[in-house]
Amino acid sequence: NAGVTQTPKFRILKIGQSMTLQCTQDMNHNYMYWYRQDPGMGLKLIYYSVGAGITDKGEVPNGYNVSRSTTEDFPLRLELAAPSQTSVYFCASRTFTRGLGYEQYFGPGTRLTVT
Amino acid sequence: DAKTTQPNSMESNEEEPVHLPCNHSTISGTDYIHWYRQLPSQGPEYVIHGLTSNVNNRMASLAIAEDRKSSTLILHRATLRDAAVYYCILRATHNNDMRFGAGTRLTVKP
Repeated sequence: NAGVTQTPKFRILKIGQSMTLQCTQDMNHNYMYWYRQDPGMGLKLIYYSVGAGITDKGEVPNGYNVSRSTTEDFPLRLELAAPSQTSVYFCASRTFTRGLGYEQYFGPGTRLTVT
Repeated sequence: DAKTTQPNSMESNEEEPVHLPCNHSTISGTDYIHWYRQLPSQGPEYVIHGLTSNVNNRMASLAIAEDRKSSTLILHRATLRDAAVYYCILRATHNNDMRFGAGTRLTVKP
């Protein structure tokens, strides 16, 4: 299993541009998450999904959109990028099996700079 | 949501035990206590979790106070590779999200 993969690894955007951060997991996990981590800070939850077609807002959803059309993929869309969105973005997933599902698996992250 | 409080940073010597504290005085009966760690330039990784009883696994031990208002992550013999930010997180069984605080930055000295 590749686990959780994220693309791209790095990206520089100009203010006002848009982009999609890709996240794929091959573990058949129901739950998927997007976090952002600003320099020297902890992770903030942006959006999460409990299954295909179902998404919900986290702590800091403004400026982002998500969709979940398949179990494997959970892309994060940035519209009208702003310097405040400069951060490292982590995708994660976990299973929903009763008695399991305690462990979240994280991708390697996407480092985004908006200038 | 119940919050956790951790020291910003701690230091340890290599090959000595490390006790990382976490206070969660507003914990509810359905909250599990999770610990994750984040090595430099990597995504977080799961360490251990528990509900009421102390737990051991190959990475660490989790000691939970009898009143559940605090817990301690124990690394039995710290190595240089254990230098990371350690996050203590509460998650209720009915909640689907996992929210991280600022964590404790552990420095391990040779």
